[in-house]
Amino acid sequence: KAGVTQTPRYLIKTRGQQVTLSCSPISGHRSVSWYQQTPGQGLQFLFEYFSETQRNKGNFPGRFSGRQFSNSRSEMNVSTLELGDSALYLCASSLAPGAGADTQYFGPGTRLTVL
Amino acid sequence: QKEVEQNSGPLSVPEGAIASLNCTYSDRGSQSFFWYRQYSGKSPELIMFIYSNGDKEDGRFTAQLNKASQYVSLLIRDSQPSDSATYLCAVNWGGAQKLVFGQGTRLTINP
Repeated sequence: KAGVTQTPRYLIKTRGQQVTLSCSPISGHRSVSWYQQTPGQGLQFLFEYFSETQRNKGNFPGRFSGRQFSNSRSEMNVSTLELGDSALYLCASSLAPGAGADTQYFGPGTRLTVL
Repeated sequence: QKEVEQNSGPLSVPEGAIASLNCTYSDRGSQSFFWYRQYSGKSPELIMFIYSNGDKEDGRFTAQLNKASQYVSLLIRDSQPSDSATYLCAVNWGGAQKLVFGQGTRLTINP
């Protein structure tokens, strides 16, 4: 079974631009979560989608948004990029919310560099 | 108090020995606990998950959970150089499908 895929793997943008990252979950997985990883802050939760609905959101500004499609694929968007948005963005999928089905498997990540 | 705490290390263990990694968490409502391994430049890879108090063994790995003490640990037996990585403890916060991670413990296995 194929794992979580993320595109693109690497991105270089300049301040003020916007970016869209894509994630395809493991086949059959309906919950998709997004995380940001930086050396200073570690891994931080951005948001989670299940059945095309955002169920949980982390403490990030409104510039960070996302959506999920009917095939469970997800995208996240960052508008008006800032230097501090440079990070590894990780997508994780799980079968569904709830203990027993909530084990999250990570994709390879998208490395975003903002210049 | 941090939500999920781990010793950042580095933890250095000789090859063949037991590596012991510890984690405490502050939310009593959490039900699911995970250990991930992350090699430099790579994404986190699931090692173990545990939901019930006690021990869970999978090959050379044993996860231990004590909900009363809000404590999770990971033991790696017969440590190998390939086990050298950062180990991340994660808690599904309040059962909300939101993983909260510790800062990670950097483990080095010395041949």
